[in-house]
Amino acid sequence: DAKTTQPPSMDCAEGRAANLPCNHSTISGNEYVYWYRQIHSQGPQYIIHGLKNNETNEMASLIITEDRKSSTLILPHATLRDTAVYYCIVRVAARANNLFFGTGTRLTVIP
Amino acid sequence: EAGVTQSPTHLIKTRGQQATLRCSPISGHTSVYWYQQALGLGLQFLLWYDEGEERNRGNFPPRFSGRQFPNYSSELNVNALELEDSALYLCASSSGLADQETQYFGPGTRLLVL
Repeated sequence: DAKTTQPPSMDCAEGRAANLPCNHSTISGNEYVYWYRQIHSQGPQYIIHGLKNNETNEMASLIITEDRKSSTLILPHATLRDTAVYYCIVRVAARANNLFFGTGTRLTVIP
Repeated sequence: EAGVTQSPTHLIKTRGQQATLRCSPISGHTSVYWYQQALGLGLQFLLWYDEGEERNRGNFPPRFSGRQFPNYSSELNVNALELEDSALYLCASSSGLADQETQYFGPGTRLLVL
C-alpha cells in the first residue's frame, strides 16, 4: 500500500471548515483513499473513502486531485467534538487485509 | 444496526498470565481484524480472520493467537503476558466482499499488565 504524509497537527476555529491535507504521491491506480479519525482512547471511526472522484457524506467531503497524488478531507462546520487524530490511509480495497495507520493529523477545534 | 462490540472494556493481568479478549462483528460481516495500540504509539496490525481461517498476521510473536467462531465472532489470546503488552486492543470487522472492504472498529479492550 502507498505511503501517506500528513501534517502532525492543525487547529481550526469552531464553526469554520477544517481542511485536512494528505499527500500520497506513490498511489497506484487500484488504491483507494480512506479517512478515519480517533477520538481520545476510542476505536477509530470510519469517515469516508474514495478512488478518484470527490465524495461527500453526512460527516465530511473528500477532494482528490486529478493526478490522485493528494487529497483533502473537509469537515464543513467543525465542532469541539471533531477534535481527534485524523488518519489518511491508502490501500487496495479488493480483498485487502490490514490497514496501515501512520501518525495522522491531530486536529484541535478551538472555541 | 449494532456496531462492533468488544469485551471486556478493561482487563488487568499480571506478568506471565494469559488474557482472552472477545469481539463480535457487525451482523453480516465475515472478516475480523485485531490491532494493538500501545500508549503513545500507532495502531499495529495483529491478525486477520475470515470465514473461520487466519488469513494474515502482523509482526507479533506466536504467543498472540486467536480464532474465529462459526458465528464470525472472534477471540484474541495473549499468553505469557509481558509488561509491554499493556495496550488498547482494537477489533474491526468488514463485510468480506470483494469490493471496498471498509473496516469498522469497536471501542477496544484496554489491557493492563502489572
